[in-house]
Amino acid sequence: SQTIHQWPATLVQPVGSPLSLECTVEGTSNPNLYWYRQAAGRGLQLLFYSVGIGQISSEVPQNLSASRPQDRQFILSSKKLLLSDSGFYLCAWRGQGIYNEQFFGPGTRLTVL
Amino acid sequence: KQEVTQIPAALSVPEGENLVLNCSFTDSAIYNLQWFRQDPGKGLTSLLLIQSSQREQTSGRLNASLDKSSGRSTLYIAASQPGDSATYLCAASGTASKLTFGTGTRLQVTL
Repeated sequence: SQTIHQWPATLVQPVGSPLSLECTVEGTSNPNLYWYRQAAGRGLQLLFYSVGIGQISSEVPQNLSASRPQDRQFILSSKKLLLSDSGFYLCAWRGQGIYNEQFFGPGTRLTVL
Repeated sequence: KQEVTQIPAALSVPEGENLVLNCSFTDSAIYNLQWFRQDPGKGLTSLLLIQSSQREQTSGRLNASLDKSSGRSTLYIAASQPGDSATYLCAASGTASKLTFGTGTRLQVTL
């Protein structure tokens, strides 16, 4: 069966510090991968998605970047965090094919102080 | 641009009641519609997926319907239980299987 992992589970970082969040998927190959952010009191916003290694599409202009160095690894990064980067970050995967479900990881709670 | 709306924003019902959560979307050109459950501080759990060619899907006490022409989906929960308390999110799948989410309905089932 497929599983999706995210770490760390929680993170408190000062403004201006770098960020690296990691997501890995097990039990599948060549998945589509997604990063979402859920800010307090707001809905889920798609940040990035990837259909293959090295292929990243950005949905909104922001202070963050994403990379996919391996087939089942998706990384969210920032060089300098802003207060507005605080939120709950969720990684998701979906099998190839337009009719498949998306499955979500447990999330990372990021607080920027 | 797809927009997804969920009403009500919050709902409180006594245990045992049947209830309906509503989801509407503005662009009917969707591949599927997915319902999720989110417990506080947790990730999303997929409940049901309805393909664009389907009218409904059932899983246990849950039944989801889809009317693409009117841009509506409903999630029916039968015989609600306190363990059903959570936020329920619907999401419409468009190009590149990108999901557009509603803001959710926060459900509380009381004893």
